[in-house]
Amino acid sequence: NAGVTQTPKFRILKIGQSMTLQCAQDMNHNYMYWYRQDPGMGLKLIYYSVGAGITDKGEVPNGYNVSRSTTEDFPLRLELAAPSQTSVYFCASKLGRELFFGEGSRLTVL
Amino acid sequence: AQSVSQHNHHVILSEAASLELGCNYSYGGTVNLFWYVQYPGQHLQLLLKYFSGDPLVKGIKGFEAEFIKSKFSFNLRKPSVQWSDTAEYFCAAYTGTASKLTFGTGTRLQVTL
Repeated sequence: NAGVTQTPKFRILKIGQSMTLQCAQDMNHNYMYWYRQDPGMGLKLIYYSVGAGITDKGEVPNGYNVSRSTTEDFPLRLELAAPSQTSVYFCASKLGRELFFGEGSRLTVL
Repeated sequence: AQSVSQHNHHVILSEAASLELGCNYSYGGTVNLFWYVQYPGQHLQLLLKYFSGDPLVKGIKGFEAEFIKSKFSFNLRKPSVQWSDTAEYFCAAYTGTASKLTFGTGTRLQVTL
């Protein structure tokens, strides 16, 4: 099992560009999450999904969109990148009450 | 809204020193508590968890945590730290429905030789 796989690992965007961070898990977990991590701020929940076709906002959803067409995939889309979205993004899936994290995607918006 | 507080933002210890990192949560009902560790450049890994039962929880790598309900606390301890424990430590909690995990702001631990 690969666990939770995120791509890309690093990306530099220009202000106003769009991109999608990919997240895939092969553990058949229903719950999936996107967090962003900023220095001194911990992890903030952006969006989460309790199963295919169902998504909901977390604490900091503005500027992001998600979809969940399959159990395996949970992509995060940035439509108009802004410098405030410079961060490290972590995808996670959940079994029971334990989260399993991907290795993160470092995004810089210049 | 539920919250998780970690008051130590940056801790520097010498090898073999004892460690205690504070974690407090704000919720009066049933709570599930976790400590995660993030080594430099890596993703978060679970250190230990508390759901119910014995309030003293033992985790990996010699870490333990004590759930004190009256103090709304779940402090992380290790009797003797090693240089390899240098990392960032996050306390986290589920309250209520257990669909969303709330993280504290993290404590950066630096262990010197």
